[in-house]
Amino acid sequence: QKEVEQNSGPLSVPEGAIASLNCTYSDRGSQSFFWYRQYSGKSPELIMFIYSNGDKEDGRFTAQLNKASQYVSLLIRDSQPSDSATYLCAVTGNTGKLIFGQGTTLQVKP
Amino acid sequence: DAGITQSPRHKVTETGTPVTLRCHQTENHRYMYWYRQDPGHGLRLIHYSYGVKDTDKGEVSDGYSVSRSKTEDFLLTLESATSSQTSVYFCAISEGRRGNLETQYFGPGTRLLVL
Repeated sequence: QKEVEQNSGPLSVPEGAIASLNCTYSDRGSQSFFWYRQYSGKSPELIMFIYSNGDKEDGRFTAQLNKASQYVSLLIRDSQPSDSATYLCAVTGNTGKLIFGQGTTLQVKP
Repeated sequence: DAGITQSPRHKVTETGTPVTLRCHQTENHRYMYWYRQDPGHGLRLIHYSYGVKDTDKGEVSDGYSVSRSKTEDFLLTLESATSSQTSVYFCAISEGRRGNLETQYFGPGTRLLVL
């Protein structure tokens, strides 16, 4: 079992819809959770981080964390074609090192 | 954007030659990291540094060495490059390892091709 798992996709949604990206992790001691966006040929850029159970909203983005079920998700409201990218989930555990999932490719179709 | 630069941005080299990649930051962050990114594997930690001359191994450190003689510079050396080290290499920095300080910011990357 991989430490951080994401569906590689592609996830295709129409413009204006809500995109839901999911991530599960295996280390119950994980403490910090991050979502990065990576455009093709570019470096990862931070979208959000979340530490506590529940929801955290930032503009069109909402991160959701459920430690009991060991999953974290990212919702993108009013999806735009410019949101088309690969979204990386990353988790830090007791070692303090960041473990990345393989990423989910999102395609937003006009 | 975080003040992180990587050099070179692209490099082609031959098997068996040594290669050094440089990461330079202007943020005065304590922690610096080297990752490689490959299809099917995602981002994997090679080495990291928690201060000048303080470094530690990551998940895929074999065949790589690092040095940090100044806060702003973190060097990654492929001692004898192999084709399996063909990859995109990213440097990242963070202020700390806990709480708000642990967020990592990435440099633009270096594409390395080993023939």
